Amino acid sequence: GAGVSQSPSNKVTEKGKDVELRCDPISGHTALYWYRQSLGQGLEFLIYFQGNSAPDKSGLPSDRFSAERTGGSVSTLTIQRTQQEDSAVYLCASAPPGARRETQYFGPGTRLLVL
Amino acid sequence: QKEVEQNSGPLSVPEGAIASLNCTYSDRGSQSFFWYRQYSGKSPELIMFIYSNGDKEDGRFTAQLNKASQYVSLLIRDSQPSDSATYLCAVTNTGGFKTIFGAGTRLFVKA
Repeated sequence: GAGVSQSPSNKVTEKGKDVELRCDPISGHTALYWYRQSLGQGLEFLIYFQGNSAPDKSGLPSDRFSAERTGGSVSTLTIQRTQQEDSAVYLCASAPPGARRETQYFGPGTRLLVL
Repeated sequence: QKEVEQNSGPLSVPEGAIASLNCTYSDRGSQSFFWYRQYSGKSPELIMFIYSNGDKEDGRFTAQLNKASQYVSLLIRDSQPSDSATYLCAVTNTGGFKTIFGAGTRLFVKA
């Protein structure tokens, strides 16, 4: 079946512009995660959605970052007034309900470059 | 102290040898433990998960968990050049859903 998809695959923007990154999780997966990975670094947790529950936003680095998940499926991560330090790969992952709920399946990522 | 710590490496082993990757975590209430493999320029992929103390084997991979020592490891037997990648240790927090990743250990398997 189809995996997690993300768009765009690459995004180049100018400092100060807003960007939107999209994630389509695997059908039927109730959990959705956003991570950020800077070059040569590990994954930094940003936000977590589980079904209709309030999201865990504890990893968002500043109020310039926000995320939505509409209809329990597609998610959009928005970065306002981008800064050069926002340049990174943004990874989305989804997880199924039930016993394997913690097993995350990653999308290909969006490579963001802020000039 | 970082929540999940790994030696960044690189760890270099000859083909056919056992590669041993280690990880420590700070949250004593952590419930679930994962190893992901990430090839350069690619996304992480799950290779092992373990919930209980002891060993769990899957093919050439063995995960070991010691909750008392807050330590989890991954052994790769008969290492192959195709195993060369960064291995990420991940731990879910006490609440059970938020996942914290280590920075990863780079493994090189020399042919």
